[in-house]
Amino acid sequence: AQKITQTQPGMFVQEKEAVTLDCTYDTSDPSYGLFWYKQPSSGEMIFLIYQGSYDQQNATEGRYSLNFQKARKSANLVISASQLGDSAMYFCAIRGSGAGSYQLTFGKGTKLSVIP
Amino acid sequence: DTAVSQTPKYLVTQMGNDKSIKCEQNLGHDTMYWYKQDSKKFLKIMFSYNNKELIINETVPNRFSPKSPDKAHLNLHINSLELGDSAVYFCASSLSAGQQYFGPGTRLTVT
Repeated sequence: AQKITQTQPGMFVQEKEAVTLDCTYDTSDPSYGLFWYKQPSSGEMIFLIYQGSYDQQNATEGRYSLNFQKARKSANLVISASQLGDSAMYFCAIRGSGAGSYQLTFGKGTKLSVIP
Repeated sequence: DTAVSQTPKYLVTQMGNDKSIKCEQNLGHDTMYWYKQDSKKFLKIMFSYNNKELIINETVPNRFSPKSPDKAHLNLHINSLELGDSAVYFCASSLSAGQQYFGPGTRLTVT
């Protein structure tokens, strides 16, 4: 079984500043993948970034980077140069292996508000 | 050219009714999913199908019955709707166990 913990229900960040959203995970699978999704107020789920458990380097996608610390079981999302459009819910999710690879287990999410 | 589409987008119905939500993907994926997002925004897997075979069935009441007529479609039928079924239902698809692409969601309100 997989578990994701997001301990920050809400975060505020000033426009143009960087922000880190925390995510810790628990799994007994030897191979797994970590995902971050963004859900704006319009409701759609937008994929942001992916990190495989055996990837040697931390994933980056534009202004998004994933600070992956395998020993600490953490996969924090870093958003650089925040924009007003970044205001949204952010979900961390894990995909296991075997039958567990056919589902995502989500955390409870962090609501990010970007202040002008 | 929508990748994963769901119909309807909104569904308001009374307790006890039966309703269906349809999902279609045009990505050529072989795996499809249903997730439920409750009023606290928590997302939880309900079902996943790979090549039309049920892979995951997560302790969902048997009032919920998924049907996959082909690899591009996964419909969700709900019998005897209850107030607690009110939620947003997301369909998703992937190529095998790869990245999942989500549909726009269906907001179900049971009165």
